[in-house]
Amino acid sequence: GAVVSQHPSRVICKSGTSVKIECRSLDFQATTMFWYRQFPKQSLMLMATSNEGSKATYEQGVEKDKFLINHASLTLSTLTVTSAHPEDSSFYICSARDLGGGLYNEQFFGPGTRLTVL
Amino acid sequence: QKEVEQNSGPLSVPEGAIASLNCTYSDRVSQSFFWYRQYSGKSPELIMSIYSNGDKEDGRFTAQLNKASQYVSLLIRDSQPSDSATYLCAVNKSYGKLTFGQGTILTVHP
Repeated sequence: GAVVSQHPSRVICKSGTSVKIECRSLDFQATTMFWYRQFPKQSLMLMATSNEGSKATYEQGVEKDKFLINHASLTLSTLTVTSAHPEDSSFYICSARDLGGGLYNEQFFGPGTRLTVL
Repeated sequence: QKEVEQNSGPLSVPEGAIASLNCTYSDRVSQSFFWYRQYSGKSPELIMSIYSNGDKEDGRFTAQLNKASQYVSLLIRDSQPSDSATYLCAVNKSYGKLTFGQGTILTVHP
């Protein structure tokens, strides 16, 4: 159980284009999903919290107009990197919290999407 | 002071030994604590979660929590080369948001 998928796993795009990344919880419902970014040899940095049916909450310093998040259902959240530039190249990882939650509020991570902007 | 601090390592232990990973956190309102394992180029994988003071054991892994000292640790018994990875300590304060430490690189050598 608690499987989260991401698509695509790897994408290479030209500067100025937009890229959409999908995050799905496969065997549970997730009212909340989280989007992280990880640069080489660094830890995960939370970008935004995605709530089903409402606007995402962005962390300080993250441009909401550049990183568009949509959480249209209890099993799907999407992150669109608009007008991507080389500095946006990174490993983007989503996580989902089981609606059942439990005591620990555990998050389960997708496999990640490696974005390279040329 | 960082919210979650870990020794970045690398920590090197021989196969079969106990690996001890440590983490401190600054915010006393933190509610639950997690250890994730991350292999190079992969996303984090949850290996332990702990909520109450004391020890929690799962197979070769034991998590220890001391809220008074704001300290959480992970012990890996009978370490294997396959345990070589970066171990991330994460703390949940509220609304399910996790704050991660910078990670400790563990190397288990044969």
